[in-house]
Amino acid sequence: ETGVTQTPRHLVMGMTNKKSLKCEQHLGHNAMYWYKQSAKKPLELMFVYNFKEQTENNSVPSRFSPECPNSSHLFLHLHTLQPEDSALYLCASSQDGTPEETQYFGPGTRLLVL
Amino acid sequence: TQLLEQSPQFLSIQEGENLTVYCNSSSVFSSLQWYRQEPGEGPVLLVTVVTGGEVKKLKRLTFQFGDARKDSSLHITAAQPGDTGLYLCAGATGTYKYIFGTGTRLKVLA
Repeated sequence: ETGVTQTPRHLVMGMTNKKSLKCEQHLGHNAMYWYKQSAKKPLELMFVYNFKEQTENNSVPSRFSPECPNSSHLFLHLHTLQPEDSALYLCASSQDGTPEETQYFGPGTRLLVL
Repeated sequence: TQLLEQSPQFLSIQEGENLTVYCNSSSVFSSLQWYRQEPGEGPVLLVTVVTGGEVKKLKRLTFQFGDARKDSSLHITAAQPGDTGLYLCAGATGTYKYIFGTGTRLKVLA
């Protein structure tokens, strides 16, 4: 059972577009994550927020801009993306961000950049 | 660059067969998790192992964490079509420091 929702589920955008991905968790968790899942590469952690503060940015290009207005919502703002950014973007949450915790993943947004 | 190698990459077996998936690294992890991901869904946690040498069982699935906490294995007994999916291991090297494995795609044929 997952209490993490993501919208939209699918997105096609041109390289000059600006779009946003939304993630919402109903689990009362304090930590939220953005991951990128590409066909040929392992799942990559992009950003981490804990108590609305960004704690990790794993060398992600500035064309990806995260926003966490409160501990239940997480956005990923996209602008001037490249075709190689096409991937499944997964949001996850966990109670406090400790390594042994369960991360609950949303179903993902399948992004295609043309 | 830290890397978690999983083997095999792909596995197609008949219902009822046994299988083992391996997750190997040169890095030491404070904990290691196994997830299963089905098409159109996010990964779902199966188990977390923390202590070197730890063995955990979840019905027909047996998970083992290596003594040195650098590797892990997942053994499935009498596989069923419902076990089909992408199996991912993920190692933690600290708070917010997660490395995911390269994945094993399993297909169990009825």
